[in-house]
Amino acid sequence: ETGVTQTPRHLVMGMTNKKSLKCEQHLGHNAMYWYKQSAKKPLELMFVYNFKEQTENNSVPSRFSPECPNSSHLFLHLHTLQPEDSALYLCASSPSHTQETQYFGPGTRLLVL
Amino acid sequence: DQQVKQNSPSLSVQEGRISILNCDYTNSMFDYFLWYKKYPAEGPTFLISISSIKDKNEDGRFTVFLNKSAKHLSLHIVPSQPGDSAVYFCAASGDGGSQGNLIFGKGTKLSVKP
Repeated sequence: ETGVTQTPRHLVMGMTNKKSLKCEQHLGHNAMYWYKQSAKKPLELMFVYNFKEQTENNSVPSRFSPECPNSSHLFLHLHTLQPEDSALYLCASSPSHTQETQYFGPGTRLLVL
Repeated sequence: DQQVKQNSPSLSVQEGRISILNCDYTNSMFDYFLWYKKYPAEGPTFLISISSIKDKNEDGRFTVFLNKSAKHLSLHIVPSQPGDSAVYFCAASGDGGSQGNLIFGKGTKLSVKP
């Protein structure tokens, strides 16, 4: 596998469910990101991790809980989501969290019922 | 208030002609700009970038122009090909991008007709 992979690609969950999104990067990068893309809105940065440490939480509700066990893996744990959380969740990585190009995974299309 | 604006939600161009996608920004601290291309059911793919110390960067058919005084950048694709049909996102970062915080526009959907 090369680049940035995300699983699952599609997810349907109820508001009381707990699920996790997984991201893995095979680029040797040290920074990883979670973005949310809702319909007709720009990509919104959610979290930034640099060398496994969270460096930014962009005012994301606590029902989204990120986890970064190492520089190659990033998780987004989901709990008691709302229908308005339905969106495309994109993971990205970059060599560091400074001014460099980010490489995106294919995204997880989430539907909350 | 949006800091990065792509005012044209869509653009249609004939194959072989030039496609010009525009992007405006409001934050004068932005010093690095990127264009991403996104096909349906895929994540954004990096296309080309430009630092604020330059006013032009070229890569094959793709050229990005930056006008700092107007806070405007544009992506030129020439000649346009049907495979270029996708959504194009402009993104910007500033203050050295120290927080890795890329600010994206809403995107412009480009359709290149054969």
